[in-house]
Amino acid sequence: DAGITQSPRHKVTETGTPVTLRCHQTENHRYMYWYRQDPGHGLRLIHYSYGVKDTDKGEVSDGYSVSRSKTEDFLLTLESATSSQTSVYFCAISRAPSSYEQYFGPGTRLTVT
Amino acid sequence: GESVGLHLPTLSVQEGDNSIINCAYSNSASDYFIWYKQESGKGPQFIIDIRSNMDKRQGQRVTVLLNKTVKHLSLQIAATQPGDSAVYFCAEKGMDSSYKLIFGSGTRLLVRP
Repeated sequence: DAGITQSPRHKVTETGTPVTLRCHQTENHRYMYWYRQDPGHGLRLIHYSYGVKDTDKGEVSDGYSVSRSKTEDFLLTLESATSSQTSVYFCAISRAPSSYEQYFGPGTRLTVT
Repeated sequence: GESVGLHLPTLSVQEGDNSIINCAYSNSASDYFIWYKQESGKGPQFIIDIRSNMDKRQGQRVTVLLNKTVKHLSLQIAATQPGDSAVYFCAEKGMDSSYKLIFGSGTRLLVRP
């Protein structure tokens, strides 16, 4: 357990509404990541952060934005949710630069109706 | 729990037998690889990693083998137990200077009692 929590754990929302998912870590790691996981796909990187206010896009960033105003929190926002964003979202941290392995939170199941 | 993958390849083994889960990676220049285990409803859990300067690495009941010639990675689980039932993912380090991982789509391991 790398001290990662995600909130909410489950959410149902309507198409067109904004949604923010929160990832919180307790170990002060610099690198944090947001992934989505869908049937038939592995984990796909949405955005990642390498420090406060330092973020970059992953392979499936369209429709998502992120913010990191504090080391411990990494927020993922869907500005206007679509049904294609129904997924399970995982946050991860990395102990980079000392190591490459990532440690994952418990996930958030998001359903967009 | 969440449906990790409706169409994942599945390996079914008898309890007590050894399991071998295979993974092909894409980039011949990749120099770091990880195996993750994901149980239903949970986030991926780090199992073992290996760097490209090694062919084999052993952990507790698990061994990872790396064949760089054919870009193939395998995870061997000795004396498979019911608690080993899960989806297993391999991941390789991204080739840019960031600390990103690229995940495979996974293999489901079912352990028959």
